[in-house]
Amino acid sequence: EVQLLESGGGLVQPGGSLRLSCAASGFTFSIYAMTWVRQAPEKGLEWVSAISVSGGPTYHADSVKGRFIISRDDSKNMLYLQMNSLGVEDTAVYFCAKDLRGYDAFDMWGQGTKVTVSS
Amino acid sequence: DIQLTQSPSFLSASVGDRVTISCRASQGISSYLAWYQQKPGKAPKLLIYAASTLQTGVPSRFSGSGSGTEFTLTISSLQPEDFATYYCQQMNRYPLTFGPGTKVDI
Repeated sequence: EVQLLESGGGLVQPGGSLRLSCAASGFTFSIYAMTWVRQAPEKGLEWVSAISVSGGPTYHADSVKGRFIISRDDSKNMLYLQMNSLGVEDTAVYFCAKDLRGYDAFDMWGQGTKVTVSS
Repeated sequence: DIQLTQSPSFLSASVGDRVTISCRASQGISSYLAWYQQKPGKAPKLLIYAASTLQTGVPSRFSGSGSGTEFTLTISSLQPEDFATYYCQQMNRYPLTFGPGTKVDI
């Protein structure tokens, strides 16, 4: 079964760090670019970060640039998002998503992992 | 950054209605636009990419059109399972951006 499964969310204090993981299965992970998208409570979708196939570039939204790092381990079919210097504005459900090959659209999504930044 | 606006932000409709949602880009994005459907508590679902290409498995009552700065998502005959929020997304350049969403309600 083709699947993306996020983990690593939780409650963290402002200024803290968290590492999200996304386990991919059912497809050839290494040949697809991958993305993180988040959704704050009762808000719309916000693109966060993207990573090309291994050795390629990474991209981050201005709102997270310098604080978040996206990475991947193709040997483990894993996608990661290291989040540092977290603020209350980072509170959201974080989705990992698979890029549609040849397009920066997302044809497969995980169920999401919730991150709450609060003291 | 490329900004996307959607109209309307909220739409009240009935089963069987023809529904049209608009998405406008702040600058030309050719046909690099996708549409998603999201239901409460669920992940988004890709409906259309490249402005008018129907994603595999998506019912043919969904269609997309437009290029440049003006785009449209049309549902030809609204079904009960179509009540959801719809987002457009530009894939022309980074940072990728989403529109604010259009909620389709009864």
